[in-house]
Amino acid sequence: SYVLTQPPSVSVAPGQTARITCGGNNIGGKSVHWFQQKPGQAPVLVVFNDSDRPSRIPERFSGSNAGNTATLTISRVEAGDEADYYCQVWDGGSDHRVFGGGTKLTVL
Amino acid sequence: QITLKESGPTLVKPTETLTLTCTFSGFSLTTSEVGVGWIRQPPGRAPEWLALIFWDDDKRYSPSLRSRLTITKDTSKNQVALTMTNMDPVDTATYYCAHSVGISVVRGTYYFDYWGQGTLVTVSS
Repeated sequence: SYVLTQPPSVSVAPGQTARITCGGNNIGGKSVHWFQQKPGQAPVLVVFNDSDRPSRIPERFSGSNAGNTATLTISRVEAGDEADYYCQVWDGGSDHRVFGGGTKLTVL
Repeated sequence: QITLKESGPTLVKPTETLTLTCTFSGFSLTTSEVGVGWIRQPPGRAPEWLALIFWDDDKRYSPSLRSRLTITKDTSKNQVALTMTNMDPVDTATYYCAHSVGISVVRGTYYFDYWGQGTLVTVSS
């Protein structure tokens, strides 16, 4: 089955840029979606189809995808961005919707 | 405004069958390019996709759980139900339903853009 690999944790100071990666075999050939989840809350879609952003999500959130790595970039990080972030793709070979293991973003 | 809410038992015994209902508003499952999915999340772990039903009644299931899952819709009530048989303590998780959109016939393009609040289901004797 298709595996998505995320770093368990990323730390960044307020105002800096956070980059959260999602690794997978030729993930550049798939559409990647990113979710933010704060404690006790449901996941929220922040980026879809690699780099599109729902209208309710700030422009500070952006995404890219090429080769074996997709990246969620959060510019001008704020304390309120502290959360778990998950990537997700559709694996056509198994018709499975796969989630990464998640990355905990800590704002220092 | 799209909203979804999960309902069902909070505690089930091992070997029992779980039935969850997702009641939604702000959209119709008779509209093309719309779906509703179920995703679960064990405590402290990543989400896991379970099932997805489309407006045309096409149904997709997690390959590893396919034999235990059934997803159905009732468009007159704006509801989607999920049944999972033979429950086990490892199935303890928060279960979410989510609205899904994508490109009509390309089922792999669908993504989950609105989620319910989730319901915690504990499996224990």
